[in-house]
Amino acid sequence: EAQVTQNPRYLITVTGKKLTVTCSQNMNHEYMSWYRQDPGLGLRQIYYSMNVEVTDKGDVPEGYKVSRKEKRNFPLILESPSPNQTSLYFCASSFVGYHEQFFGPGTRLTVL
Amino acid sequence: KQEVTQIPAALSVPEGENLVLNCSFTDSAIYNLQWFRQDPGKGLTSLLLIQSSQREQTSGRLNASLDKSSGRSTLYIAASQPGDSATYLCAVLTQGGSEKLVFGKGMKLTVNP
Repeated sequence: EAQVTQNPRYLITVTGKKLTVTCSQNMNHEYMSWYRQDPGLGLRQIYYSMNVEVTDKGDVPEGYKVSRKEKRNFPLILESPSPNQTSLYFCASSFVGYHEQFFGPGTRLTVL
Repeated sequence: KQEVTQIPAALSVPEGENLVLNCSFTDSAIYNLQWFRQDPGKGLTSLLLIQSSQREQTSGRLNASLDKSSGRSTLYIAASQPGDSATYLCAVLTQGGSEKLVFGKGMKLTVNP
């Protein structure tokens, strides 16, 4: 089944404890992206990658890192999480060239 | 800067009604527009994708139209059912290189039996 998977789905952590949210897709998509969804603010792009080893900042990249060492994986790293990073995170993927984007199930992160 | 608006923010209707959900965007320089459905605590399910050169797309009881010049799209849901209850989001793919989707804040639909 073609899909985007994220792990973990739910995470509660404390301020300053490094964490990684994994994202994987099995559709051979070049493009991958991370969004966060907050009440009243909607979905905003954090980082994106057009292909392996090519990443760039989105609208709200502060406090996040990403890497793209393999085509299928695009992990989101929070080196020192803070409470304002409490949010619902979505990974998305597509073929490059303005195609339909497919989203993962989301990761609900709470930083205490 | 592209802005996407969905009004109203919530809608409650009885089962069986035909519905029109509205989406407007400020910059007509888009590549495509996607309609998504989001169930509580769940991810985003893509419903329909309309390329900028297209006027409409259909999938089952759903029909989406696009008027790029006026910055508007509508999602038509025929014969609504309680299972259609969800939040519906529209998003436009903007020109500019990042292939970023700019989302509206969504419209929460409740279909009552």
